[in-house]
Amino acid sequence: DTEVTQTPKHLVMGMTNKKSLKCEQHMGHRAMYWYKQKAKKPPELMFVYSYEKLSINESVPSRFSPECPNSSLLNLHLHALQPEDSALYLCASSPLLAGGPYNEQFFGPGTRLTVL
Amino acid sequence: GENVEQHPSTLSVQEGDSAVIKCTYSDSASNYFPWYKQELGKRPQLIIDIRSNVGEKKDQRIAVTLNKTAKHFSLHITETQPEDSAVYFCAASSMNYGGSQGNLIFGKGTKLSVKP
Repeated sequence: DTEVTQTPKHLVMGMTNKKSLKCEQHMGHRAMYWYKQKAKKPPELMFVYSYEKLSINESVPSRFSPECPNSSLLNLHLHALQPEDSALYLCASSPLLAGGPYNEQFFGPGTRLTVL
Repeated sequence: GENVEQHPSTLSVQEGDSAVIKCTYSDSASNYFPWYKQELGKRPQLIIDIRSNVGEKKDQRIAVTLNKTAKHFSLHITETQPEDSAVYFCAASSMNYGGSQGNLIFGKGTKLSVKP
């Protein structure tokens, strides 16, 4: 399996709902990422997990809560979101190569989130 | 931290012509420069990348050049086809960014339109 998969493809939620986005990869990659992408903008880094530990939190509001249960799975738990949080949420993974920061990142197809 | 500038923001070419997209970066420690292609509603796809120990890399109709002294890198697409129409993002990976290795900093993107 050489792909990053994400579920669901689309999600519509109200501001009081709790939902989760899921990401999975079986390439043995030990770094996994969450990005947020608004229309006509580049991906914006939210969180980075390295060896299942949170290594980067880009000052993301606490209504977004990441979780990495194991080396293949990454979740993003959503609670009390705002309409401005509507975006494409992309997961990515990359190998952590010894001796250098070379980090080919492979993206999943994304979850299109709409907050009403 | 790293900052990546990308130009132009839009580019329209006739089928068969060449297209060139340019990026500059600020952090001299950056040593990995990927290019992503994103079609409407789809994931960013890695199309080519270059590491700092190489000045040029080519893959069929796509080439990337890197000038470390000037801190700029460029994507060249020859014999463009309508299916090359997409948004292209450059990125740079900085060892110093936030103290973490390998996180990508994206340019703002170039919308390429290839007219038949």
